[in-house]
Amino acid sequence: AQKVTQAQTEISVVEKEDVTLDCVYETRDTTYYLFWYKQPPSGELVFLIRRNSFDEQNEISGRYSWNFQKSTSSFNFTITASQVVDSAVYFCALNTDKLIFGTGTRLQVFP
Amino acid sequence: DAGVIQSPRHEVTEMGQEVTLRCKPISGHNSLFWYRQTMMRGLELLIYFNNNVPIDDSGMPEDRFSAKMPNASFSTLKIQPSEPRDSAVYFCASSHLFDYSNTGELFFGEGSRLTVL
Repeated sequence: AQKVTQAQTEISVVEKEDVTLDCVYETRDTTYYLFWYKQPPSGELVFLIRRNSFDEQNEISGRYSWNFQKSTSSFNFTITASQVVDSAVYFCALNTDKLIFGTGTRLQVFP
Repeated sequence: DAGVIQSPRHEVTEMGQEVTLRCKPISGHNSLFWYRQTMMRGLELLIYFNNNVPIDDSGMPEDRFSAKMPNASFSTLKIQPSEPRDSAVYFCASSHLFDYSNTGELFFGEGSRLTVL
């Protein structure tokens, strides 16, 4: 069975703080993809990143970085120097034969 | 390019009424997905189609829910009769089959917020 766990329901930080969103997944498949999506207050789902199971290299994109560790089945997302515009719900997702989502982490960044 | 288009954006209806949600996928995409988002259950996959054929409807909650995809550019999700517990945001997403099988990236519509009184 496939499962994605985002244990942090809600996180609040002050602007410029760094914040890490945790994601733990379960699958027996050896080939799979992991994703992060952002859902801002406007409601749409915005794709942020995709990682395949054979590529454990960490990735950095501006203030965003992702840490994929197969040994711990984790795919954590860090925002450096957070900004108010980062306030959103962030979803981690796993694709084996279909895309399933975690329950999301609501991030609130206060000025 | 136009993204995934959903209608209506908001629907308020009374219990027992029929509700039809509509989706137009991105042109050229041949996989279409319906998700439901609630506070309690998060984002749940209801059903998905490949080349207009339903592949997995195991997420459809019960017989009151049905989905069709009569052609490559249109899909509907129908709830009949609707109940208050159906209140949620329903998202449609599409992808090119090749891309989905290899990468799983879906392109989402803006969602249809359904309130059943």
